[in-house]
Amino acid sequence: GAGVSQSPSNKVTEKGKDVELRCDPISGHTALYWYRQSLGQGLEFLIYFQGNSAPDKSGLPSDRFSAERTGGSVSTLTIQRTQQEDSAVYLCASSLMGRLEAFFGQGTRLTVV
Amino acid sequence: KNEVEQSPQNLTAQEGEFITINCSYSVGISALHWLQQHPGGGIVSLFMLSSGKKKHGRLIATINIQEKHSSLHITASHPRDSAVYICAVRVGGGADGLTFGKGTHLIIQP
Repeated sequence: GAGVSQSPSNKVTEKGKDVELRCDPISGHTALYWYRQSLGQGLEFLIYFQGNSAPDKSGLPSDRFSAERTGGSVSTLTIQRTQQEDSAVYLCASSLMGRLEAFFGQGTRLTVV
Repeated sequence: KNEVEQSPQNLTAQEGEFITINCSYSVGISALHWLQQHPGGGIVSLFMLSSGKKKHGRLIATINIQEKHSSLHITASHPRDSAVYICAVRVGGGADGLTFGKGTHLIIQP
């Protein structure tokens, strides 16, 4: 497809387990962003990748969160030892280098039980 | 840090009414996005503005850079317009991504 693709769309996991969330950006988009929307809260920035530069991890809430982007394309957000407060919708967006318009994926709804 | 305020937080209107949602921010920006989020759905980018006005169908977005204010208007509103509308701003080259407002929950009743 032509849009940003995220998988899985829904994930239920037990507290303490690790989870991986995947984002396939639009082909050719060099900028990739991860955001989180907790229940009843607004969206918050997590991490930003731009080309081959070191990612901006300033929004990651704890060291249990990490993300990587392989080959400048697909990105994986990993949450280790999940906690109930990690339950949220995790959104990915991508954009062309130097362009300000971002395109969003459908999100992954993570529920930690 | 940029503060983004949206108003109203909740809005219920009758089908056909003209809708206005407002967004104010505290720091100069390079771009402002209006996003739409349906219940259980993902986010759709409606507009990206850096100046002036844009129109798409029944939706109109305006921005006043000097006043640090943007509005989203919906003409001839319809129940399918019911969604959360989110304002998001970007400062500079976007290294810190977007800063989001808390959203306006719009319900259009038939």
